Amino acid sequence: DVKVTQSSRYLVKRTGEKVFLECVQDMDHENMFWYRQDPGLGLRLIYFSYDVKMKEKGDIPEGYSVSREKKERFSLILESASTNQTSMYLCASSLGPSYEQFFGPGTRLTVL
Amino acid sequence: GENVEQHPSTLSVQEGDSAVIKCTYSDSASNYFPWYKQELGKRPQLIIDIRSNVGEKKDQRIAVTLNKTAKHFSLHITETQPEDSAVYFCAASIWEDSNYQLIWGAGTKLIIKP
Repeated sequence: DVKVTQSSRYLVKRTGEKVFLECVQDMDHENMFWYRQDPGLGLRLIYFSYDVKMKEKGDIPEGYSVSREKKERFSLILESASTNQTSMYLCASSLGPSYEQFFGPGTRLTVL
Repeated sequence: GENVEQHPSTLSVQEGDSAVIKCTYSDSASNYFPWYKQELGKRPQLIIDIRSNVGEKKDQRIAVTLNKTAKHFSLHITETQPEDSAVYFCAASIWEDSNYQLIWGAGTKLIIKP
């Protein structure tokens, strides 16, 4: 069974704080993704990675950065959190481009 | 940029009836079309997918049809049950900036009325 875990289910931060969201998968997947989910907007891709130390911007990368130092771990970083980054953040991993994406449980981030 | 439109945004059907959710995509090179189900408070999970070399795929009460000429694909759920209540997302593959991505629809909230 593929397992994708995220470091926190709920997180409350203050405007301007640096925020780290971590995602770990245990199935040796090459591909990892960070999405943001807001009501009525579906899943919007922030960043993705097809290999260690490799990263590509998705649709909404502004205000975010990522790190993938190890194959199993993909971190999302909010350099200076803002209230408009309050959202549900979902991490996913997959074997390859057109294979099933396995999602983590999500982190609900609130920025005050 | 490329996009995927999903309709309706909310669908309410009587238990036992069928439900159909439709998606249209813009990139004619798209060749992979998955459907995900997200129950309230849970993570999205793949329920069925189809590739461009087939026109229809079935799995028990769920089926997906693909019309590449018209660039649309649909999810069909027959004999709906209460556990089918969820948000359903469609997606389509695209190649952008030499990278392969999925573009997601905005989701359909399916409500099964008892």
